Amino acid sequence: GAGVSQSPSNKVTEKGKDVELRCDPISGHTALYWYRQSLGQGLEFLIYFQGNSAPDKSGLPSDRFSAERTGGSVSTLTIQRTQQEDSAVYLCASSLVAVGNTIYFGEGSWLTVV
Amino acid sequence: ILNVEQSPQSLHVQEGDSTNFTCSFPSSNFYALHWYRWETAKSPEALFVMTLNGDEKKKGRISATLNTKEGYSYLYIKGSQPEDSATYLCAYRGGSYIPTFGRGTSLIVHP
Repeated sequence: GAGVSQSPSNKVTEKGKDVELRCDPISGHTALYWYRQSLGQGLEFLIYFQGNSAPDKSGLPSDRFSAERTGGSVSTLTIQRTQQEDSAVYLCASSLVAVGNTIYFGEGSWLTVV
Repeated sequence: ILNVEQSPQSLHVQEGDSTNFTCSFPSSNFYALHWYRWETAKSPEALFVMTLNGDEKKKGRISATLNTKEGYSYLYIKGSQPEDSATYLCAYRGGSYIPTFGRGTSLIVHP
C-alpha cells in the first residue's frame, strides 16, 4: 500500500491477556517508530528500529512490552499480561533515515483493556 | 528529558479568523522540527519539516516559521475553516533520530 498500515484498528481485550499489534511501513523506509497516546497524554515514544541496527527500546514502559521487526519491514508490538493503563492508541510511523525527511504515521491501533 | 511545549492547549475560533500556535523546544543540538495535523480516528498528517533557522514554509492557508536560536516555531492558519479543526502537534528532533512530541494544540473552528 501507499501508506503505513496498522492492524487491528480496534482491539478490546481482557486484563491479563496478551495482544499483538502489527505495523506494515511504507516500502523502502528503513526507520520505524512506535508511539502511544493515552487519554489526556501526549504522544509517548516506545521503540525505534533503524535497518539492521539494534532497536532503541528506551521508551518501553515495562518488560511486558516487546517489539520486533522482521526482514526490515513489518513490525509487531506485543503487550503481555495487559493492564488497564495500557489502554491507548498505538501509532506506528516510518521514514527514510535522514532527519530532514517526513515521518509518516499509520491510523493507529486503538487498544482498550477491560 | 526533552521539553517540547505547545501553547495554547486549546483554542476556539470563529470561521474566517486567523490564528497561530507556538511550539517551544531546546535550542541546542537542533536537527529538525516537524508539524502535524491530527484529526480524530485518522493518522497524523505531516504538514512541515523544518531544518534551518529562519525557515518559513507554507501549505495553502497554513504556514510555519522556525527560530532555532531561541527555540520556537509558530504555526499560522489564515482564514480558519471548520475543516481545520484538529489537534496540531509539533515534534523536535535534536541529537537523536527519535522525535519528541509536544502535547498539541486542539483547534476548534466554529461555523
